[in-house]
Amino acid sequence: SQQGEEDPQALSIQEGENATMNCSYKTSINNLQWYRQNSGRGLVHLILIRSNEREKHSGRLRVTLDTSKKSSSLLITASRAADTASYFCATNSGANSKLTFGKGITLSVRP
Amino acid sequence: EAGVVQSPRYKIIEKKQPVAFWCNPISGHNTLYWYLQNLGQGPELLIRYENEEAVDDSQLPKDRFSAERLKGVDSTLKIQPAELGDSAVYLCASSAGAWGNAEETQYFGPGTRLLVL
Repeated sequence: SQQGEEDPQALSIQEGENATMNCSYKTSINNLQWYRQNSGRGLVHLILIRSNEREKHSGRLRVTLDTSKKSSSLLITASRAADTASYFCATNSGANSKLTFGKGITLSVRP
Repeated sequence: EAGVVQSPRYKIIEKKQPVAFWCNPISGHNTLYWYLQNLGQGPELLIRYENEEAVDDSQLPKDRFSAERLKGVDSTLKIQPAELGDSAVYLCASSAGAWGNAEETQYFGPGTRLLVL
């Protein structure tokens, strides 16, 4: 079963614009992670935010976490055509630290 | 440093035939994972190894799927016999830390795309 649900399912923006993607989950977590998957390639880890953190930055990425609402958002600023990919949120939960992925968001950045 | 290596990259077989996928994790990574990714979905864990021990195989359909990680390095995932519904991408990942470390980053291979006709 998949715990995370991303929103929207697909997003199309112009290069230079910001892209915001949301993720909701159902059970308590150890942390939440975002991954990117380019067409035909494996997943690449982008950023991890712990359950006791509210915001984290990494380059052009900004992640927020609201555990009271069980939701997270990923903001990509100043998007580039190379950011075109599928983005997945994954929740790490339980004593065995199992990673559970959502269905993903397809981001298209138009040049 | 080489990443996670998987082979083959693509495989087309007829239903009821056996198929095997191979994974070589990043050198020194103790934990190895096999995931199944259906089209338009996120990856779902099939099995996780800590060295040569399968510590979580609750999602592995054991009637037709099997996996092994002899010597705690390379791993093989097998399906016998394959069914039409097994068409998907099979991803292998590895991480350096021990089971239960919540902040270990998983590094994924490119996957094997299986088509069952």
